[in-house]
Amino acid sequence: DIQMTQSPSSLSASVGDRVTVTCRASQSIASYLNWYQQKPGKAPKLLIYAASNLQSGVPSRFSGTGSGTDFTLSITSLQPEDFATYYCQQTYSTPLTFGGGTKVEIK
Amino acid sequence: EVQLVQSGAEVKKPGESLKISCKDSGYSFTSYWIGWVRQMPGKGLEWMGIINPADSDTRYSPSFQGQVTISVDKSTSTAYLQWSSLEASDTAMYFCARRSMVTAAPLDDWGQGTLVTVSS
Repeated sequence: DIQMTQSPSSLSASVGDRVTVTCRASQSIASYLNWYQQKPGKAPKLLIYAASNLQSGVPSRFSGTGSGTDFTLSITSLQPEDFATYYCQQTYSTPLTFGGGTKVEIK
Repeated sequence: EVQLVQSGAEVKKPGESLKISCKDSGYSFTSYWIGWVRQMPGKGLEWMGIINPADSDTRYSPSFQGQVTISVDKSTSTAYLQWSSLEASDTAMYFCARRSMVTAAPLDDWGQGTLVTVSS
């Protein structure tokens, strides 16, 4: 199985800050990396697919980069509605493993 | 509009069986994979498995192989996740999600979740 490691597991930030979350795969997954946002009590929501493609309807302050084993999710100018938990997931091979999550909290 | 609607919350006792559902409304059911994801209380997302409704080709995570069964009923556009003998450790929220047939596609639409509580 491919292991996905996210860091940090949590962070505190203020509205307007730039936030960066990283995800590392235990082996190369090309660009088959997706990012999801989950708010408490809700289903996850797809933000970015194939490492850098913004899902329809997702604000442009979200962006993703990376390929191979190292990936980054960035949020420029953090908004109040962005406080949530973010997960990466590889879809290179089954099982389609998730990272452990990064909780973005209000400072 | 794509919509996956899951069955309601369940409270069961250890040893009981359970089958929860995920009904599609709004797209061609046999054109997308349907996956299941577990989220234990206060924990992260765990991918359980996925099924192709067109031919019932099913892939399980090794962590869940033999523990659950994923199936579909094409006539009702419904996917199922079932247990033959529940344990307290099965207490969790379970999400279904769809995935395009395109290589390496993400899970791009999710059901609202079904909370399963197993307690004596």
